[in-house]
Amino acid sequence: AQSVAQPEDQVNVAEGNPLTVKCTYSVSGNPYLFWYVQYPNRGLQFLLKYITGDNLVKGSYGFEAEFNKSQTSFHLKKPSALVSDSALYFCAANPGTAGSYQLTFGKGTKLSVIP
Amino acid sequence: DGGITQSPKYLFRKEGQNVTLSCEQNLNHDAMYWYRQDPGQGLRLIYYSQIVNDFQKGDIAEGYSVSREKKESFPLTVTSAQKNPTAFYLCASSMSGTNTGELFFGEGSRLTVL
Repeated sequence: AQSVAQPEDQVNVAEGNPLTVKCTYSVSGNPYLFWYVQYPNRGLQFLLKYITGDNLVKGSYGFEAEFNKSQTSFHLKKPSALVSDSALYFCAANPGTAGSYQLTFGKGTKLSVIP
Repeated sequence: DGGITQSPKYLFRKEGQNVTLSCEQNLNHDAMYWYRQDPGQGLRLIYYSQIVNDFQKGDIAEGYSVSREKKESFPLTVTSAQKNPTAFYLCASSMSGTNTGELFFGEGSRLTVL
């Protein structure tokens, strides 16, 4: 069975500092990987995805993520955090097979950016 | 504007009652999904539908039912058989499978059982 782990329930970072939200996965084959963000009492919003190609993926709002196949990781990063980045972040994975409809989510990491 | 509309946003139910959550999309997406979100547990898939008149169970389908009579609509019924229905429910859609296309989510429905 495939799984996605987000080892930190909460990450605190000062405004202006770089941030990293960690994600590791256990998915067979060549998985497709995603990051979503959720603001309080709202639905999830897509940030970025890795399908193939360059290991560094750039997404919305200045976020980027680095795919590392040997470490089975897909960490989310941003060079300079904003208070408005405070939210719940979810990593998700798909087996990468054609027509796959099963997307496995991690449990989420709450990011707090301190002014 | 295209998007997904969920209703109601908040819903209260007495034990033993069935309740139906509405989900409508105007994105012309083929696939639709229902997820349940509980604090600290992430999102868990309840049901999904790839095409009209077809749907499959996800990881936690027990106590729930769905229908897909129209491409735009994918209502979820929380039945009295669901042991712990209090949760935040999210509907989503995608162009096809989730392997390359991202999910588009509604704003969610929060169900509380009194």
